[in-house]
Parts: sequence; C-alpha cells; structure tokens
Amino acid sequence: QGQLVESGGGVVQPGRSLRLSCAASGFIFNKFAMHWVRQPPGRGLEWVTIMSHDGNNMYYADSVKGRFSISRDNSKNMVYLQMNSLRDEDTAVYYCAKALYYVMDVWGQGTTVTVSS
Amino acid sequence: QSALAQPASMSGSPGQTITISCTGTSSDVGNHNFVSWYQQYPGKAPKLIIFDVSNRPSGVPDRFSGSKSGNTASLTITGLQPEDEAEYHCSSFTITNTYVFGTGTKVTVL
Repeated sequence: QGQLVESGGGVVQPGRSLRLSCAASGFIFNKFAMHWVRQPPGRGLEWVTIMSHDGNNMYYADSVKGRFSISRDNSKNMVYLQMNSLRDEDTAVYYCAKALYYVMDVWGQGTTVTVSS
Repeated sequence: QSALAQPASMSGSPGQTITISCTGTSSDVGNHNFVSWYQQYPGKAPKLIIFDVSNRPSGVPDRFSGSKSGNTASLTITGLQPEDEAEYHCSSFTITNTYVFGTGTKVTVL
C-alpha cells in the first residue's frame, strides 16, 4: 500500500520560508496524485494542495494560494511543499497523503511547522 | 472553502450506536458522492475508514457505515467499541477541484 515520510519541519519566523519534503515508497509513485494536508494544534484537518501524478495540474486552498507551491520529482519519488511568507496561522502538523481517486488512502506521520517570532 | 460542519463531540456506551453528521453545501457534499471519513487517534496520522459516501476499505470493521442525504453526510458506528474512541473527520471533493474537511468530531466511549 505504501509508506510516506515527511521532513523539513521546524521553527520559523513570520514572513520567512520553509520547504517540506515527503519521501514515498512501496507504490508506483508516478501513477498517483499527492496531497498536503495540515492540522493546527488542537484543531481539525485542513486540506492544503494537490498535484497530479505527472505534475501538470495542481490546486490550492484559498488560505495558501500565492504563498505555497507544491512540486514533485518522480525520478526520486519525492513531493515537496514550498511555503513562503509564513504566518502564525500556518503553524500546524503537515501531512503528505497519497491520492486514490477522490480519497487520501496513505498518510505520512507528519512534520511540525511552528511559525513564531 | 468553509469547513464542513460536524458536531464537536459525541459520546456513547459500549454497544450503543452513534451517528456523526457532516454538513456542507451544494458545491461539495451535495454535488457528488466523493465523501470520505477518516479516523484519527491522538498524535497519530488519520486513517481512511469510509470512501465514496458508503464504501469501506479492506480491514475496516463493518460496524462503520456511511450515508448521505442532500448536503449532509453521516458516519454511523453500530455497536460502539472502546477502541472507537478517536477523532473523526469527514472530507469532500468540491466543484472547484479542491477538497474540504469537516471540523472534526471527538468520540468518547463512556
């Protein structure tokens, strides 16, 4: 079914940038779209973005549009989330998830991003 | 992209049945059958338990079931078990090719 491992989280000041990575294994990576989903402390899940299997299509939540960018490297089985102009409200655990049709069927363990001065 | 509305908490005794609602709009839940449910234990990643409104992935107990009417989807747990104590999140595909999650429901087994 597969495994996903996120990395790159940390503490960052407001206005700065951070890039998250997600390493995939155990499935044919270039056949599946990939999501990023986040969860602020003590709150529910928030969908962030999705990129198609070939990297040609991507969609974003309004809350991150113009600031965050998803990309992937199918030769390395990696998906990335570039986060710019970070705000306090971007503080969350960030998960990458594999798309299977219209669901997220495999999730990573998450990486924590804290935006604080 | 407003979050789908779920009750913040629900509780029940072992063996009881509970139903969690997930209310959206005609732009998401009411537009198609791409509604899914995820179970999440504290400090853990979410796990898919229902997809396409009412389908269970392999390995998910049949006490979990899903349904939908209009703009509201529901997750029913029949015969509540202690291990069902967790947070439950609904999710829906939307007409703008994005996704939206619910506000989340914490289920307590008394």
